[in-house]
Amino acid sequence: QITLKESGPTLVKPTQTLTLTCTFSGFSLSTSGVGVGWIRQPPGKALEWLALIYWDDDKRYSPSLKSRLTITKDTSKNQVVLTMTNMDPADTATYFCAHRSATVMFDYWGQGTLVTVSS
Amino acid sequence: QTVVTQEPSLTVSPGATVTLTCASSAGAVTSGYYPNWFQQKPGQAPRPLIYSTSNKHSWTPARFSGSLLGGKAALTLSGVQPEDEAEFYCLLYFGGAWVFGGGTQLTVL
Repeated sequence: QITLKESGPTLVKPTQTLTLTCTFSGFSLSTSGVGVGWIRQPPGKALEWLALIYWDDDKRYSPSLKSRLTITKDTSKNQVVLTMTNMDPADTATYFCAHRSATVMFDYWGQGTLVTVSS
Repeated sequence: QTVVTQEPSLTVSPGATVTLTCASSAGAVTSGYYPNWFQQKPGQAPRPLIYSTSNKHSWTPARFSGSLLGGKAALTLSGVQPEDEAEFYCLLYFGGAWVFGGGTQLTVL
């Protein structure tokens, strides 16, 4: 049974760096083809793909946010960490992490965590 | 930045058939864009429905089907049920990056 859960601060101030952790179970991020991605959704708006890390440590980022994002993995802890620098109120959103299998993109999702950016 | 466009909203009667589409500003959508479809209800995480154009997950109801139609990815609901009322998102692959569409709000009336 694959499960994922996001954790991190619920409130950050403008210009601060956001660090979110995705803790997962039911799969290994050392298995060929597997990946974990991050997606966000501002209140009342559409989903936006942010980043993806693969089993072999290959990393992909949204071109529009690439300069602000870093994704890393700790295979031994079954965790993936996303950092986003220079947070702005426009970054207020629910942040989801999701599993990617060798053939299927985002087949399992976490419940999401709401991050509010405000002074 | 590539833009993925969906119908903002559609209204359908129970039992009817409806098709949602997903277009790319880069041109015609093909199987190489690996179209995915997700359903999202308020307060919930997105639920995957279709991957790689037309493949269903084990939990996807039979009334949902995916295809390519007129240069777009398409999601067809045959025999819409009241519980299908939700926001639907497509996801396309652009050579290393993934882009979600703006979503279609499906209302069942």
